[in-house]
Amino acid sequence: QSALTQPASVSGSPGQSITISCTGTSSDVGGYNYVSWYQQHPGKTPKLMIYDVTNRPSGVSDRFSGSKSGNTASLTISGLQAEDEADYYCFSYTSNNLGVFGTGTKVTVL
Amino acid sequence: QLQLQESGPGLVKPSETLSLTCTVSGGSFSTSTSYYWGWIRQPPGKGLEWIGTIYYSGNTYYSPSLKSRVTISVDTSKNHFSLKLTSVTAADTAVYYCAGFWGSYRRIDYWGQGTLVTVSS
Repeated sequence: QSALTQPASVSGSPGQSITISCTGTSSDVGGYNYVSWYQQHPGKTPKLMIYDVTNRPSGVSDRFSGSKSGNTASLTISGLQAEDEADYYCFSYTSNNLGVFGTGTKVTVL
Repeated sequence: QLQLQESGPGLVKPSETLSLTCTVSGGSFSTSTSYYWGWIRQPPGKGLEWIGTIYYSGNTYYSPSLKSRVTISVDTSKNHFSLKLTSVTAADTAVYYCAGFWGSYRRIDYWGQGTLVTVSS
């Protein structure tokens, strides 16, 4: 069970859109629609942004959206804002009832 | 709304056992069929790592990389669950979070505030 692969960093200017990928295998991301995304600001507890690949919890901005194709899930942030600068982690259910996080992506707003 | 709070020593010596407790307030959690309860850790400056979970049935699930050293248990009388990690090394230094996972890890609904455990002599 290896960590899901995410880019180490992604950056964009205010107002732009960025996409963070999360690549796994058919035993995790590709095999189930149980991918969630978390935003973590420095020194803070992670916050749920997306679950079940595409669902957004109440209270989360609709600028955040999720998708999946094959073994890769993606988080897109539209209309990038300064407050979006944070670390982002994907998380997936895996076979045998285990869980696995992504390696994490640092989002920088230029 | 449940609240989770970790407690335990902030400093553990190498080769000893790390023991943490997560106290759940705001309701009874142990009989819920909707949630798995478990632990996540984050070494300083690094990413999140799933450690393992326990279900209301008592079934436990552990990360393969930690399985030989980890035990998660529940004490329903005290409304808390616990983590034990044996034979610790400096690599086990991390912020440890207790958490509530809804469904088959479809989302993590509950997080403790996290507690830093340092492994050092």
